[in-house]
Amino acid sequence: SQELEQSPQSLIVQEGKNLTINCTSSKTLYGLYWYKQKYGEGLIFLMMLQKGGEEKSHEKITAKLDEKKQQSSLHITASQPSHAGIYLCGADIGGGTSYGKLTFGQGTILTVHP
Amino acid sequence: NAGVMQNPRHLVRRRGQEARLRCSPMKGHSHVYWYRQLPEEGLKFMVYLQKENIIDESGMPKERFSAEFPKEGPSILRIQQVVRGDSAAYFCASSPDVRDIENWFFGSGTQLSVL
Repeated sequence: SQELEQSPQSLIVQEGKNLTINCTSSKTLYGLYWYKQKYGEGLIFLMMLQKGGEEKSHEKITAKLDEKKQQSSLHITASQPSHAGIYLCGADIGGGTSYGKLTFGQGTILTVHP
Repeated sequence: NAGVMQNPRHLVRRRGQEARLRCSPMKGHSHVYWYRQLPEEGLKFMVYLQKENIIDESGMPKERFSAEFPKEGPSILRIQQVVRGDSAAYFCASSPDVRDIENWFFGSGTQLSVL
């Protein structure tokens, strides 16, 4: 089983709709990172969350980390075709000492229909 | 300042051959990380290197896989005697500081196909 579970695995929405992607761990997350990947390309860093209850926003994307630091959500408001891609959550679940070693979820494939 | 460069983008090998994947970090970055993305799975950590040193190779298979990051030149991930199960996308990332994950930059990956 995955140490980081992402849901849903895929998502198809109409342009303009809101959507949420979840990332859950059974272990405490010492740093939670959201990335976007376009097919055949590398990862683009979106946001980092470290403190329980933390919330960050960038343009139409908001990410939250719950108080227990075991679950994060990524919310996109008024989705656009440019939001399409694979969203990955990555985390340090090694207690902050696992330098270089992020654990990733399996990814959520987002399709936005115009 | 060019990004992290990986080459080749696509590599086809027959079973038993060797595969060499190259990663040129961003200028000024002395930390390199290799990850593997298997079909239907997320990215899995393989190895973390600094210049001339392997810091953590706990994610590397014990046999056939090796990595280096020489004083001069790119980091190399080497897979000897490839098998079909090695088919995957291999990504590297680089950073100026290992703890500053916000400043990790990923390459576009090498897609390895083993026939």
